[in-house]
Formats: sequence, structure tokens, C-alpha cells
Amino acid sequence: NAGVTQTPKFRILKIGQSMTLQCTQDMNHNYMYWYRQDPGMGLKLIYYSVGAGITDKGEVPNGYNVSRSTTEDFPLRLELAAPSQTSVYFCASSSRDGSYEQYFGPGTRLTVT
Amino acid sequence: AQSVTQLDSQVPVFEEAPVELRCNYSSSVSVYLFWYVQYPNQGLQLLLKYLSGSTLVKGINGFEAEFNKSQTSFHLRKPSVHISDTAEYFCAVSDKEYNFNKFYFGSGTKLNVKP
Repeated sequence: NAGVTQTPKFRILKIGQSMTLQCTQDMNHNYMYWYRQDPGMGLKLIYYSVGAGITDKGEVPNGYNVSRSTTEDFPLRLELAAPSQTSVYFCASSSRDGSYEQYFGPGTRLTVT
Repeated sequence: AQSVTQLDSQVPVFEEAPVELRCNYSSSVSVYLFWYVQYPNQGLQLLLKYLSGSTLVKGINGFEAEFNKSQTSFHLRKPSVHISDTAEYFCAVSDKEYNFNKFYFGSGTKLNVKP
């Protein structure tokens, strides 16, 4: 039982490049989330999903896209990377059993230069 | 949208001393409240949560928090801290009535426990 896994751990992008951050959970959780963490700013919700095929915007969705084709996977796509997207990205998942506990992955540190 | 305020960005404290980390949220509607801890270079882990019932909530590692609806606060306390409690602590809230899947996090409080 690996929990929530994220790849890659680190990435450096040039301005204008694109990439996909991968997130997989093996707990059969319905709910999945993407956050970004900027220094001194806490976590901001980018997108979330309540199940396969269903996604919705969080607080800061601009510049990102997501898809949820399976229960396990919730990739985050960055198109046309900008320096403002330099951040640490966390994926999380939770069950719909009423516990509301989110399980977080180890994070991806992204630098856009 | 909710907003969460953690007034103290850093809290230095000596080992075995008590500590309180403060959290206030913006809305008076029904909410779920959480405290998470983040150790260096790791993801967040749940410390405790308030969903309903008793306003005093106990969590892991000897932490507890009290929900105060009238003051819209959810302060985290520990009577005696250890060096191993050095970490960053985040308060989070979600709206029970409207969309409990949207979680709003505070900016974090770095707890630095000194020997």
C-alpha cells in the first residue's frame, strides 16, 4: 500500500514548455486534489475531482488542466509554463466515508526559468 | 470563499514548554476544521479534525484543539512540546453546507522547539 505517489520529485522547465505532473493513489479513494504551496502562502487548491470523469476548479486553476479517466490517476497538466508557476505541487486523496481526511503525496518541486 | 488566518508565522518555544498555535477562519457557516503537520520535505499529515460534537478535539502526538464558534477560532495546543514537534502546522477549513470538497488552508505556522 503505497498511498499517494507523485512523479517527478523535481523538475526544471523553461518558460513556455509544457509538462504533466503525475499522481496515483492505491486506496480506492473517490476524491482527489491538486494543491500548490508557495512560501509563506500555505496551500492553494488548483483542481479537484469527486470521481472518474468529474473534475472542478479550485481557487487557482488558471494555467493548469486536469483529467480523471480512472479512480487511481489524477494528472495535472501545465501548458506554456510561466515563472509564476514555480512552486511545490501536492496531490492528495480522500475517501467518501465521511472521515474527510486527506492523504498527501510527497510533492513535486517545480522551477520555471 | 473561506479564508483562514494563522496570525503567527513562526513560534519559537523551549522543549517541555506549552504551546498554542492560533487559527481563525472567516465564515460563521457550518464548517469542518483541520490541523495538518508538515515535516521538512514531506507532504502533510492530519493531526486532528473537528467535524461535529465535542468542541475539544484530541489528536495524535498529544495535540488538542478547541473549536470556538462565536470567535470562529480553532487553536491548537500542546501542554509540553518535544524537539520532534519542530515542523510547520497548517489550519484548514471546508464548508460543511456548500462544498465540503473545497479545502482552504492557512499560511502556516513554523514551530521551532529549542533544547
